[in-house]
Amino acid sequence: ILNVEQSPQSLHVQEGDSTNFTCSFPSSNFYALHWYRWETAKSPEALFVMTLNGDEKKKGRISATLNTKEGYSYLYIKGSQPEDSATYLCAFATGNQFYFGTGTSLTVIP
Amino acid sequence: DTEVTQTPKHLVMGMTNKKSLKCEQHMGHRAMYWYKQKAKKPPELMFVYSYEKLSINESVPSRFSPECPNSSLLNLHLHALQPEDSALYLCASSQENSPSLTQPQHFGDGTRLSIL
Repeated sequence: ILNVEQSPQSLHVQEGDSTNFTCSFPSSNFYALHWYRWETAKSPEALFVMTLNGDEKKKGRISATLNTKEGYSYLYIKGSQPEDSATYLCAFATGNQFYFGTGTSLTVIP
Repeated sequence: DTEVTQTPKHLVMGMTNKKSLKCEQHMGHRAMYWYKQKAKKPPELMFVYSYEKLSINESVPSRFSPECPNSSLLNLHLHALQPEDSALYLCASSQENSPSLTQPQHFGDGTRLSIL
């Protein structure tokens, strides 16, 4: 079993603040890095799938970067809103295996 | 509303029962997945079907038996489960499974399973 680590485990920010969190994964046998947002009582929602070193993806106020050589990805949220409150999960794809991280729980305080 | 539908939403069963979890998608996706998620833990991949053939089986106990009758449906048959099998079971689908696991997955809301 591979370790996919996310930090911090939880985060509380004020509305309007920008924030970021980290996903760390093994730097070998890399196929893809996924980011998902999981709101309470809903299903996980795909944000990004990143496959190339140096990839940067953006969706509205949310963006992500990827460094496959050192094994990390950052997720950034600009101007956090209460509706951004959720658990953010990354998942590492290697060959025919897929490992989720433990998630970062974000709470945006109005 | 999710485009991946899972039934039932909740299931309570005894250790000697036989039951099935169902998952359905009509997005034309050719890869479907079962995950198990225990409280405060990340989802763990159990099975992957690609073009209706089992392509990944993550050493799951035989008391869990997957079935993919067609490209839209995925079942998980349960028999003689243990209390530690109580968890949220998530189904997901993606356009395809090739190249490996590089397509975004669409998840259902899950089935909350409790084993008495």
